[in-house]
Amino acid sequence: EAQVTQNPRYLITVTGKKLTVTCSQNMNHEYMSWYRQDPGLGLRQIYYSMNVEVTDKGDVPEGYKVSRKEKRNFPLILESPSPNQTSLYFCASSSTWTEKGAFFGQGTRLTVV
Amino acid sequence: DQQVKQNSPSLSVQEGRISILNCDYTNSMFDYFLWYKKYPAEGPTFLISISSIKDKNEDGRFTVFLNKSAKHLSLHIVPSQPGDSAVYFCAASAGQGYGGATNKLIFGTGTLLAVQP
Repeated sequence: EAQVTQNPRYLITVTGKKLTVTCSQNMNHEYMSWYRQDPGLGLRQIYYSMNVEVTDKGDVPEGYKVSRKEKRNFPLILESPSPNQTSLYFCASSSTWTEKGAFFGQGTRLTVV
Repeated sequence: DQQVKQNSPSLSVQEGRISILNCDYTNSMFDYFLWYKKYPAEGPTFLISISSIKDKNEDGRFTVFLNKSAKHLSLHIVPSQPGDSAVYFCAASAGQGYGGATNKLIFGTGTLLAVQP
């Protein structure tokens, strides 16, 4: 079954404690992205990757890091989380040319206190 | 600066009637548009898309219309069913050409559709 898997689904952490949200896809897609969803703002892209070792900033990259060492994995790293990073996060993947849009993971609800 | 706008936060429709969800955009470089559906506690799922070279795309009960001169697109659901109740996001991408590479999507804020039995 084609899927994008994120872990954990829910996370409560304290300000400044480094954390990683993992994302893995089994569709051999080139593109992977991270989005955050906030009330009244829709989904905003944090970072994206066009292939292994190729990443670039999206619209709201401040406070986040990513890496793409393998095609299937695209972890999101918060080196020093702050309360304004409390949000719902989605990982997505897509192939290079598609009319089918991106596949999204089920989301990670992060709370930073 | 919201480049993709969904001005109706919510919409309520009777089962069997037509649902029309609207989306406006400001960036004339957008050339590919998508609609996603999102249920609570799930990620968005792709519904239907349209390239800027077309003005209509249909898939079963779902039709997307694109009016480039007005920078407006709409999603029609006919007939609406209770299972269609969800948040609908409009999204756009720029410079990808026909074929719809979707590595960078700009999303609207979403419209919550409630279909009443």
